[in-house]
Amino acid sequence: GQSLEQPSEVTAVEGAIVQINCTYQTSGFYGLSWYQQHDGGAPTFLSYNALDGLEETGRFSSFLSRSDSYGYLLLQELQMKDSASYFCAVRSNQAGTALIFGKGTTLSVSS
Amino acid sequence: DVKVTQSSRYLVKRTGEKVFLECVQDMDHENMFWYRQDPGLGLRLIYFSYDVKMKEKGDIPEGYSVSREKKERFSLILESASTNQTSMYLCASSLRDRTYGYTFGSGTRLTVV
Repeated sequence: GQSLEQPSEVTAVEGAIVQINCTYQTSGFYGLSWYQQHDGGAPTFLSYNALDGLEETGRFSSFLSRSDSYGYLLLQELQMKDSASYFCAVRSNQAGTALIFGKGTTLSVSS
Repeated sequence: DVKVTQSSRYLVKRTGEKVFLECVQDMDHENMFWYRQDPGLGLRLIYFSYDVKMKEKGDIPEGYSVSREKKERFSLILESASTNQTSMYLCASSLRDRTYGYTFGSGTRLTVV
């Protein structure tokens, strides 16, 4: 089967840097995606890593190590509006064209 | 902007009723998906479709069926609603070759009483 593990909660202060880890178990792995969901809102796509290494998009970066079955989302210069849930999701041939999501990490940013 | 529209934001149904959740996307996406989201369980895949009239079971298809008669519309059907199907239902779509980046609808919060 497939499984993804990510911390359930992370807290940080404004201006800080936070890293949300994701480890996965699957066969036929294609890539790792990250989504953000604010309370009451729809999940929105943040980033995708198919190859090892770091992808940077503004204040957010995502990293993948295929050999370690591990990835992380790095959020820099945290702002209050970054308080949300963050989901990692794997794309693999086990689920065809569909993503399998982790249970999510709730990030709380305080002033 | 891609829009994925779910017909109802909130829905209350009785146990045993047949329930239809509708999802429409306006950007000609080939792939469409239904997930349910429950606290502490994340998003769980119910069914998905990669083309008209095609459907694939996800991780938790029991008690659900789907219909995709037109490319833009993907319906989730609860054959006989039960209280354990009370949940937030999320529809999503993506291009055929961009299956890592979904666009989600705003969700339908279904309560079965």
